Amino acid sequence: SQQGEEDPQALSIQEGENATMNCSYKTSINNLQWYRQNSGRGLVHLILIRSNEREKHSGRLRVTLDTSKKSSSLLITASRAADTASYFCATAFPIQGAQKLVFGQGTRLTINP
Amino acid sequence: EPEVTQTPSHQVTQMGQEVILRCVPISNHLYFYWYRQILGQKVEFLVSFYNNEISEKSEIFDDQFSVERPDGSNFTLKIRSTKLEDSAMYFCASIWGGWNYEQYFGPGTRLTVT
Repeated sequence: SQQGEEDPQALSIQEGENATMNCSYKTSINNLQWYRQNSGRGLVHLILIRSNEREKHSGRLRVTLDTSKKSSSLLITASRAADTASYFCATAFPIQGAQKLVFGQGTRLTINP
Repeated sequence: EPEVTQTPSHQVTQMGQEVILRCVPISNHLYFYWYRQILGQKVEFLVSFYNNEISEKSEIFDDQFSVERPDGSNFTLKIRSTKLEDSAMYFCASIWGGWNYEQYFGPGTRLTVT
């Protein structure tokens, strides 16, 4: 299976704390992308990290990629109530010159005020 | 900032009816996709479309499904005869280039088949 799997499935922390979510996958990838989804809403793109990159930052987000362990992590620092959402990693596989994404089950993050 | 748009946001239809879900990808993007998410489950790839033809489709994308880019802006997903199990959120996505680019998603259409 090409699936990415997130860990933990659910995470509840206090506002201001850091949240770390992990993603593991099974086969070689082009890149790995993280998305956020608020309940019942669309997928918001957060960060793309390519297979030759080890770490990327965007604001309060930090993503790491370890291709030898086939794993990635998303760190949200100084969490806010508005960060409450589900977070998905999606691994990108080449198809006919393009890419398709394979999503994990997601981590449901709850930030308590 | 350019974004992918989808209409309608919610569609209710009776089993056996045909539905067409519409998407307007980001204007300079070249590759287009449909994904679906059954309530409480993973987002699943359905089909990719490039240069006016399907480049890959999943096992879910059977003969009941079809895609079309009827003009320079719209990208549609048609389900010919809906089943109860087609109830899901359907997402359109687009990407500028083929490899190693961000895939941007629309807000989704919630399809409810009764």
